[in-house]
Amino acid sequence: EAGVAQSPRYKIIEKRQSVAFWCNPISGHATLYWYQQILGQGPKLLIQFQNNGVVDDSQLPKDRFSAERLKGVDSTLKIQPAKLEDSAVYLCASSLDGTVRYNEQFFGPGTRLTVL
Amino acid sequence: RKEVEQDPGPFNVPEGATVAFNCTYSNSASQSFFWYRQDCRKEPKLLMSVYSSGNEDGRFTAQLNRASQYISLLIRDSKLSDSATYLCVVNRRGYQKVTFGTGTKLQVIP
Repeated sequence: EAGVAQSPRYKIIEKRQSVAFWCNPISGHATLYWYQQILGQGPKLLIQFQNNGVVDDSQLPKDRFSAERLKGVDSTLKIQPAKLEDSAVYLCASSLDGTVRYNEQFFGPGTRLTVL
Repeated sequence: RKEVEQDPGPFNVPEGATVAFNCTYSNSASQSFFWYRQDCRKEPKLLMSVYSSGNEDGRFTAQLNRASQYISLLIRDSKLSDSATYLCVVNRRGYQKVTFGTGTKLQVIP
């Protein structure tokens, strides 16, 4: 079974530039998550989709971050404009159904973003 | 107070030792709990879910203490391959609202 795919794996940009990340979840998974993981910290949930609807985006900095999952399958996360503090690994995860009590999240390899 | 707190460590233990980590959570409405393992520069992977009655998987035992609002992970007979960061995960509000702890780093020494 194919896992969660993410691209690009690495990205280096200058501050104030824009960047976009792509995620393709495991086939059939209804729930998709985007996390930001800063070095030495745990993943921080940015946004959670159930199919193509947003379940939780309370920690998404909406002035610069946006995410969509238009057809309920793959998703893009955009940062515009980037700041130095956005340097982190951006992880995408999916689960079969995030509304059930115990559901396993499967993570992609992440995109390592460096903002100079 | 952070919603989920873990001792970052590192915990340096010899092979064969038993080691335990705790994770405290602040919201009593939390519903489901997990331990994930993350190797250096890799993505997190589920180690085990934590059920109310406690559960065991080989050398690993997870416990939930609702009264004191913490979960624990016990690793017996530590192996070199257990060296990793162990992340505590708490879900609330209809099993959503996911919060990860900062992780506890374990280093098993030969």
